[in-house]
Amino acid sequence: GAVVSQHPSWVICKSGTSVKIECRSLDFQATTMFWYRQFPKQSLMLMATSNEGSKATYEQGVEKDKFLINHASLTLSTLTVTSAHPEDSSFYICRAVRGLAGGGSYEQYFGPGTRLTVT
Amino acid sequence: KQEVTQIPAALSVPEGENLVLNCSFTDSAIYNLQWFRQDPGKGLTSLLLIQSSQREQTSGRLNASLDKSSGRSTLYIAASQPGDSATYLCAVSNSGGYQKVTFGTGTKLQVIP
Repeated sequence: GAVVSQHPSWVICKSGTSVKIECRSLDFQATTMFWYRQFPKQSLMLMATSNEGSKATYEQGVEKDKFLINHASLTLSTLTVTSAHPEDSSFYICRAVRGLAGGGSYEQYFGPGTRLTVT
Repeated sequence: KQEVTQIPAALSVPEGENLVLNCSFTDSAIYNLQWFRQDPGKGLTSLLLIQSSQREQTSGRLNASLDKSSGRSTLYIAASQPGDSATYLCAVSNSGGYQKVTFGTGTKLQVIP
């Protein structure tokens, strides 16, 4: 089956710095990628949706200037946490989707996640 | 807005017991429902995927059922093992496009040797 990778798998950064997280679909072209975050002991919450070559759509309450999403190709989406603060410490997971021929069906694959700790 | 709830939030059972995890959702217009396990500090491992037209899926000791009309899914784990200890999440994809996947609140399972 298709594989989605994330890099790095974990990262520690200092408050005020920026961190970039990559999400790659390794053997298929993902028309849409989604970014989720998970705070400790909570479920995953959708942050934003990105389509290749267009601007990301952010969920209510997610700061688009803080969480920069770039979807430059069908196999790569990046999430950059700018001016990170301790409250941004979380588990970030991407979801890659490709539509299948006919009837609106699709496949989806989740990345393994990136643990971000901001000190 | 789709809301997904999982009951119980936590469950502790002795090894060997059969158990059932529950997932309920408010909007029955779903595309599919997927069960995941998540180990502490790790990503998601897909367990079973049920399309909206299906009633159940089985994989090894796991069996997931889906009742769209009542907005419910169950994950049945037979002969539980300590290695089954993890948090189990159900995730509902809505129909009419793949824009939204709503995750449940999770059930933290502990299987005691």
